[in-house]
Amino acid sequence: GQQLNQSPQSMFIQEGEDVSMNCTSSSIFNTWLWYKQDPGEGPVLLIALYKAGELTSNGRLTAQFGITRKDSFLNISASIPSDVGIYFCAGSTGTASKLTFGTGTRLQVML
Amino acid sequence: DAGVIQSPRHEVTEMGQEVTLRCKPISGHDYLFWYRQTMMRGLELLIYFNNNVPIDDSGMPEDRFSAKMPNASFSTLKIQPSEPRDSAVYFCASKRGNEQFFGPGTRLTVL
Repeated sequence: GQQLNQSPQSMFIQEGEDVSMNCTSSSIFNTWLWYKQDPGEGPVLLIALYKAGELTSNGRLTAQFGITRKDSFLNISASIPSDVGIYFCAGSTGTASKLTFGTGTRLQVML
Repeated sequence: DAGVIQSPRHEVTEMGQEVTLRCKPISGHDYLFWYRQTMMRGLELLIYFNNNVPIDDSGMPEDRFSAKMPNASFSTLKIQPSEPRDSAVYFCASKRGNEQFFGPGTRLTVL
């Protein structure tokens, strides 16, 4: 089946630093989504990407849909303590009904 | 507006017992999803419904798992009999359009 590999698995960064994480797939996706999960909560959607090459920002977050449609990256600029959590990419080949989730990147921010 | 509501938030049971997890989707959403999250396997889609009809149950691990959606505002995921390897966090999500909204999850522990 489809698999999404995320890297890095975990990150320790200093407050104020920029963060970059990516997701690669063995298959083509038509939709890429990035979610954040806080402890004890469900994932919350951060950014959605619907076209190859699309670059979308949401505040300090920027994500891109790779040209090959097999990868995506998420950047967080000027990290703050509340950025701590697990970030998941997710891909869909259809109308974002059936999502395949990545393995997650755990972000920890040091003050 | 209330988000996706799940109950119970925590469930501890003994092997062999029946477990029923409940979900109330966001009003007006026409898709409902059940996911399972574990450290080993990450976030996996178990089954999803559209307009109360099961569309894809290929992620349901085995016959011990069953899900129903008797109306637009309620769904259940049942495990009978439960086994220790079923221990996980089970999420319900709903959507209308492209964004899936997740509930807070039910943490299930089977002893």
